[in-house]
Amino acid sequence: DTAVSQTPKYLVTQMGNDKSIKCEQNLGHDTMYWYKQDSKKFLKIMFSYNNKELIINETVPNRFSPKSPDKAHLNLHINSLELGDSAVYFCASSPEGQGFFIGAFFGQGTRLTVV
Amino acid sequence: AQKVTQAQTEISVVEKEDVTLDCVYETRDTTYYLFWYKQPPSGELVFLIRRNSFDEQNEISGRYSWNFQKSTSSFNFTITASQVVDSAVYFCALKVSGTYKYIFGTGTRLKVLA
Repeated sequence: DTAVSQTPKYLVTQMGNDKSIKCEQNLGHDTMYWYKQDSKKFLKIMFSYNNKELIINETVPNRFSPKSPDKAHLNLHINSLELGDSAVYFCASSPEGQGFFIGAFFGQGTRLTVV
Repeated sequence: AQKVTQAQTEISVVEKEDVTLDCVYETRDTTYYLFWYKQPPSGELVFLIRRNSFDEQNEISGRYSWNFQKSTSSFNFTITASQVVDSAVYFCALKVSGTYKYIFGTGTRLKVLA
């Protein structure tokens, strides 16, 4: 049973398209994240949600819109895709306020390629 | 501001050699957590260890060991008798208690040659 799962694993699309990446966790964690890993492997936070509420929006363009329908899901929708959006996007979850803090667990990543 | 520095961009060793990956962090907060993650060629991020700021005990897990020193703001990772399967990018990360952000270093690519 995968703890944090993202779909799709690979996404190739044309500039200007709109796409979504889905993320689900079955760990019972209250906090979820989206991270972007660029071509130099640098990992940068984009968003964090706690109990479905947006906590951090790290100067991400408005074209990126996260949505958390419940605590187990955090989806990422991207409008008008640009070449510079090509990267690997990681979803993660962690039990921040739940008294058993361990750390963040990451999904397998979604490699987005914009052509 | 918080920051994590991994000065070693890439390290190459021959199998069975010991190797240490350096991590230096910056924070003014007194309660924080430090982590190491492994990213093998397959791309996933694998959690290796967490340390909190009040626990400076070193930890050993098989061939892996971690040395946490608050006096030098360092959390170094040593692999003993390295193996080819250890080849990966290793990330050190910092999280301050009460925040919802993990701050990653730039990673160290470890190549273990047979």
